[in-house]
Amino acid sequence: DVKVTQSSRYLVKRTGEKVFLECVQDMDHENMFWYRQDPGLGLRLIYFSYDVKMKEKGDIPEGYSVSREKKERFSLILESASTNQTSMYLCASSLSFLRREKETQYFGPGTRLLVL
Amino acid sequence: KNEVEQSPQNLTAQEGEFITINCSYSVGISALHWLQQHPGGGIVSLFMLSSGKKKHGRLIATINIQEKHSSLHITASHPRDSAVYICAVRSRGSGGSNYKLTFGKGTLLTVNP
Repeated sequence: DVKVTQSSRYLVKRTGEKVFLECVQDMDHENMFWYRQDPGLGLRLIYFSYDVKMKEKGDIPEGYSVSREKKERFSLILESASTNQTSMYLCASSLSFLRREKETQYFGPGTRLLVL
Repeated sequence: KNEVEQSPQNLTAQEGEFITINCSYSVGISALHWLQQHPGGGIVSLFMLSSGKKKHGRLIATINIQEKHSSLHITASHPRDSAVYICAVRSRGSGGSNYKLTFGKGTLLTVNP
């Protein structure tokens, strides 16, 4: 079974702090994703990585950066946390886009971040 | 950009009822996904469709490419089916845009015993 883990289930930070959210997958997946989920807005893509050190901006990258130094690990960084970044953050991974049956995304349990 | 609309937003059913959740999208797609999210956050992929119909246990997903519409059916619903069901599409596109999923806002299903 694919396992995607996230470093924290709940996190409370203060405005202006630098925040690191980590995601690890154990199935050698090429692609990793960071989403945020807010009530009434659904899931929105922040960043995507299709290989080590490779990244693409998603729909809402402002205020975030990412790092993928190893294939299994994808980190989301909030450079200076703000209250409007209070949200549920979900990491996902998928094997490949080269074949349609391999594009299923596997999600981590989520990190609920509160910025005060 | 693909717009994904789900209906209904909320659905309450009695145990044993047949359930249908609908998903419409605006632009041609490569694939459509149905996902399930239980309270507490975990999201599980149920189906990935590009045509026709798929069945897994009591769940059936269908897609009509011409009408840009998909349905998720649950037969003999059970309280453990209570969850948010999310539709997501991968648009047909070139280069970097082809990897993104566009998500609907979800349908909250509550099945009462």
